Amino acid sequence: GENVEQHPSTLSVQEGDSAVIKCTYSDSASNYFPWYKQELGKGPQLIIDIRSNVGEKKDQRIAVTLNKTAKHFSLHITETQPEDSAVYFCAASPPLPNNLFFGTGTRLTVIP
Amino acid sequence: EADIYQTPRYLVIGTGKKITLECSQTMGHDKMYWYQQDPGMELHLIHYSYGVNSTEKGDLSSESTVSRIRTEHFPLTLESARPSHTSQYLCASSASLGLAGVAGELFFGEGSRLTVL
Repeated sequence: GENVEQHPSTLSVQEGDSAVIKCTYSDSASNYFPWYKQELGKGPQLIIDIRSNVGEKKDQRIAVTLNKTAKHFSLHITETQPEDSAVYFCAASPPLPNNLFFGTGTRLTVIP
Repeated sequence: EADIYQTPRYLVIGTGKKITLECSQTMGHDKMYWYQQDPGMELHLIHYSYGVNSTEKGDLSSESTVSRIRTEHFPLTLESARPSHTSQYLCASSASLGLAGVAGELFFGEGSRLTVL
């Protein structure tokens, strides 16, 4: 089955700096790569996703890049704010069984 | 705001008790999932369903069972709880996009934190 690795497990940045989280996946058939943000006491929530026919996608301060050849994708958060502090999960979905396989999570702390 | 609800949010019970964690969604989603989340954050898929009367085991072996008698309801049951079942359980749902092999957004509930003494 699909195996997703995520690094780093913890990340601390100063407010206003950028944060980058990286993931690799093993199944070359995977075609959907979402990122979820989990705040304390809540369930994860989708913040951005990318499909395999696109190399980059941006939504305000958040961007995701995908390198299908190398089988890795990254989340970039610019101009970080304290409210960006949370746990972030990457995920990959192969066509079969069409479920999401999650990375191990990154705890991001933005220091004011 | 996602319309998916889990009850109870917190539950502390003794070993050997039977418990059911409830999950309901009002979005009409066909697909529903149960994840177990470690204290170390990892999300492990333990059960999923692609529709009424359909249930499958996930990647992580679990002693729990699920049922899907109605589209909106996907309860998880532990017949005899043990301390090793102590964890956070997250329910999620997603819509079928009508395209084979194409995944859609997962909507998560806020979780049920189970502690077995």
